[in-house]
Amino acid sequence: SYDLTQPRSVSVALGQTATITCGGNNIGSINVHWYQQRPGQAPVLVMYRDSIRPSGIPERFSGSNSGNTATLTISRAQGGDEADYFCQVWDSTTVLFGGGTKLTVL
Amino acid sequence: QVQLVESGGGLVRPGGSLRLSCAASRFTFSDYYMSWIRQAPGKGLEWLSYISSSASMIYYADSVKGRFTISRDNAKNSLYLQMDSLRAEDTAVYFCARDAVPFAGTYDYWGQGTLVTVSS
Repeated sequence: SYDLTQPRSVSVALGQTATITCGGNNIGSINVHWYQQRPGQAPVLVMYRDSIRPSGIPERFSGSNSGNTATLTISRAQGGDEADYFCQVWDSTTVLFGGGTKLTVL
Repeated sequence: QVQLVESGGGLVRPGGSLRLSCAASRFTFSDYYMSWIRQAPGKGLEWLSYISSSASMIYYADSVKGRFTISRDNAKNSLYLQMDSLRAEDTAVYFCARDAVPFAGTYDYWGQGTLVTVSS
């Protein structure tokens, strides 16, 4: 089965740039979506089809996908960005989520 | 604003059954594919099942295949998950989610979740 690998945690200083990766075999050939989940809340779609921001998501969020790694980048990190982030793909007839990355803003 | 509201969660004994519901509003439910996704306490997201707009196509994760059944009633704007032979490891918050694009797994709206606890 296809596996998605995310770092368990990422830390970023306030105002700096956070990079969250999602690794998978040739993941660059498929669409990757990203979700933000704050504690006690439902996930929110923050990026779809690798690099498209849904309405209402700040321009500080960007995405890319190439080779074996998809990346979610958060520029000018704010305290409100502190959350869990999950990558996700559609694989044939199943949906796969990465294990999630906890983003800490210092 | 699109709204998805889950209900039906609760405490159930191992081996028991539970039926979850997801009430959809403020969008044309019959146009959208839907999924159930769960999250065990302190863990990540786990996709469970997917149903097309007309219910003609249904998929399940291996972990629930044969035990869980997804269905929908477009006349009632509702999505369901029948859960049988429940195990302790099924304890989780269960979310319903709308797929913005068929077979894309682009979940643009989620419910707030309903907690299922399987314990004796």
